Amino acid sequence: AQKVTQAQTEISVVEKEDVTLDCVYETRDTTYYLFWYKQPPSGELVFLIRRNSFDEQNEISGRYSWNFQKSTSSFNFTITASQVVDSAVYFCALREMDSSYKLIFGSGTRLLVRP
Amino acid sequence: GAVVSQHPSWVICKSGTSVKIECRSLDFQATTMFWYRQFPKQSLMLMATSNEGSKATYEQGVEKDKFLINHASLTLSTLTVTSAHPEDSSFYICSASAIAGGFTGELFFGEGSRLTVL
Repeated sequence: AQKVTQAQTEISVVEKEDVTLDCVYETRDTTYYLFWYKQPPSGELVFLIRRNSFDEQNEISGRYSWNFQKSTSSFNFTITASQVVDSAVYFCALREMDSSYKLIFGSGTRLLVRP
Repeated sequence: GAVVSQHPSWVICKSGTSVKIECRSLDFQATTMFWYRQFPKQSLMLMATSNEGSKATYEQGVEKDKFLINHASLTLSTLTVTSAHPEDSSFYICSASAIAGGFTGELFFGEGSRLTVL
């Protein structure tokens, strides 16, 4: 069965600090996708990244970076030099090929960046 | 980019009435759409998978007679909350995947519909 765990319920940092959001997943599939989404107070989900199970290269996009480690089943997300606008709930999600392609979300991490 | 639109964005209704929420893929065709429910400060929970031209597949614990899903075309899926009660108040979000994308395709999410049942 697929499962996504985001152990950090809430994180509070001061602006310009770096922050890492943890994500651990469970799956029996060898083919799957991992995602990160941002949900600001408005509620709409903002897509951040998609990574397939065969690509373990880390990715950097501006202040955002992702570390995918299959050996530990983790897909962590780091925001460098955080800004107040980064305040939101961040969800990690897993999509297995053998589960009708449905997306299963972690419980989310609420990030508060204080000025 | 691909857009998924939900309507209405928010709705308030009286207990006992039924409410229909629409999910449209605006610039792509979607064989499969997904419906999620999110209670305040909680995660998105998958309710059902909506397949064009066939019956929806419901997740365990979701009442199919209460949450009616119809996927009549490749661009429209509807969720009807029948005989709504205050405990059905929630944020409902749909997502769709383009046919051409298959498993590798990105999922696109609607803006969400906030339902308040009085």
